[in-house]
Amino acid sequence: DGGITQSPKYLFRKEGQNVTLSCEQNLNHDAMYWYRQDPGQGLRLIYYSQIVNDFQKGDIAEGYSVSREKKESFPLTVTSAQKNPTAFYLCASSRDPRRGETQYFGPGTRLLVL
Amino acid sequence: QKEVEQDPGPLSVPEGAIVSLNCTYSNSAFQYFMWYRQYSRKGPELLMYTYSSGNKEDGRFTAQVDKSSKYISLFIRDSQPSDSATYLCAMSDMGGNNRLAFGKGNQVVVIP
Repeated sequence: DGGITQSPKYLFRKEGQNVTLSCEQNLNHDAMYWYRQDPGQGLRLIYYSQIVNDFQKGDIAEGYSVSREKKESFPLTVTSAQKNPTAFYLCASSRDPRRGETQYFGPGTRLLVL
Repeated sequence: QKEVEQDPGPLSVPEGAIVSLNCTYSNSAFQYFMWYRQYSRKGPELLMYTYSSGNKEDGRFTAQVDKSSKYISLFIRDSQPSDSATYLCAMSDMGGNNRLAFGKGNQVVVIP
C-alpha cells in the first residue's frame, strides 16, 4: 500500500529541546517537502529536497534542519532556535520536480510546546 | 500583494447546493493548478489538477482556469455533508523545483 507516513501523530516539546519529525514515502518519488501550517496562514514551505543528499531552504527555514540520506526518508528537526514551533507539520512528495508534478501529502504531525 | 489570494470563508451551504470557490494569483508564470481538500486534523488530499487554461471535470467536481484573468475556480455540484472541509488552491510554474504557492484555504460547511 503506497503512500507517505509521518510519525508521531502528536509530539510535545519542552523548552530548549530539539525534536525530530519522521517522514517516509514508498512511492519512489524523487522530491520531498516539509510545510508548516498555522491557522489562517495556509501552508508555508520549510525545506525541500529534489534528490538524495541535497536539500534547499524554503521560505521559513530558520530554526529547522533536515537530512536526505535515503530517497524514501526526509526527517525534519525542530531545533531550540525555533521560538514558536507549535503548528501542524506536513510532509509531501512528488515525482520529477522539474515537470510540475503534483505533490502528495502525509497525514501530518501536530507539535505542541509544554 | 500576496502571490495567491483565497477568501478563507467559512462558506455554509445547504445539502444539494452548488459550492463555488475561487483563487486569484499575481504570477503570470504559473502553469499548473491544483485543488486540495483537507479534513480537520488531516493532511491535504489532491482533488483536481489542471495544466494551463480550460476546464476539467471529475464527477461532481469541476475546475476552471482562466489565465488571462489570473483566476481559478472549483465547483462542487450536489454538495454533500461529507464535502465539509477546507479547500486549498495551489499553483506552480516550470521553474524546475516544483515549489507550490498555496492559498490560505477556504472552509466549507455543507448543512444537512
